[in-house]
Amino acid sequence: GDSVTQMEGPVTLSEEAFLTINCTYTATGYPSLFWYVQYPGEGLQLLLKATKADDKGSNKGFEATYRKETTSFHLEKGSVQVSDSAVYFCALWDSGNTPLVFGKGTRLSVIA
Amino acid sequence: ETGVTQSPTHLIKTRGQQVTLRCSSQSGHNTVSWYQQALGQGPQFIFQYYREEENGRGNFPPRFSGLQFPNYSSELNVNALELDDSALYLCAASLVGGEQYFGPGTRLTVT
Repeated sequence: GDSVTQMEGPVTLSEEAFLTINCTYTATGYPSLFWYVQYPGEGLQLLLKATKADDKGSNKGFEATYRKETTSFHLEKGSVQVSDSAVYFCALWDSGNTPLVFGKGTRLSVIA
Repeated sequence: ETGVTQSPTHLIKTRGQQVTLRCSSQSGHNTVSWYQQALGQGPQFIFQYYREEENGRGNFPPRFSGLQFPNYSSELNVNALELDDSALYLCAASLVGGEQYFGPGTRLTVT
């Protein structure tokens, strides 16, 4: 079945550091790929998405490129802020009425 | 703001009891999905409702059941609560095949 694997955390960075959170997937079809963010005590917020190969999703300085050849969708940000501290989830959606499939999440802590 | 609300925010129950969680969407999304997020884990799909009928189910036992109402609001019911049912329960509203919008979740603690 479909699955998502993302790097384990926690990840601790200093403010203005470069962020990469790795995500790879396994899917039978051609899924759409997502990054969700969960701030402490809150639900999930969609951060960005890409629906086909070579698409780049971007939002709030975060970017991820859908790489079909490496089945990856790594999340990057050039300069993190303390307010980016949260748990980040990579997810895929195969098609139709299938549910979202999530990775286990990566906790990011940014220190001033 | 996603326009999806859930109630209650927090809930404490005793093992063996039953619980009902609620979800509503302001935007008329006709499909609702429920997920369980255990501590330190990603959300796991419980089931999905469309037009008031279950339209897909994950690997959860029958004591997890749901309802969807004509106004597209939804309930998740869990019978015979177990300690492992302690988790954050998320609902997501969408149109069929469309992007899912998540609510803030209900945190259930079973003691």
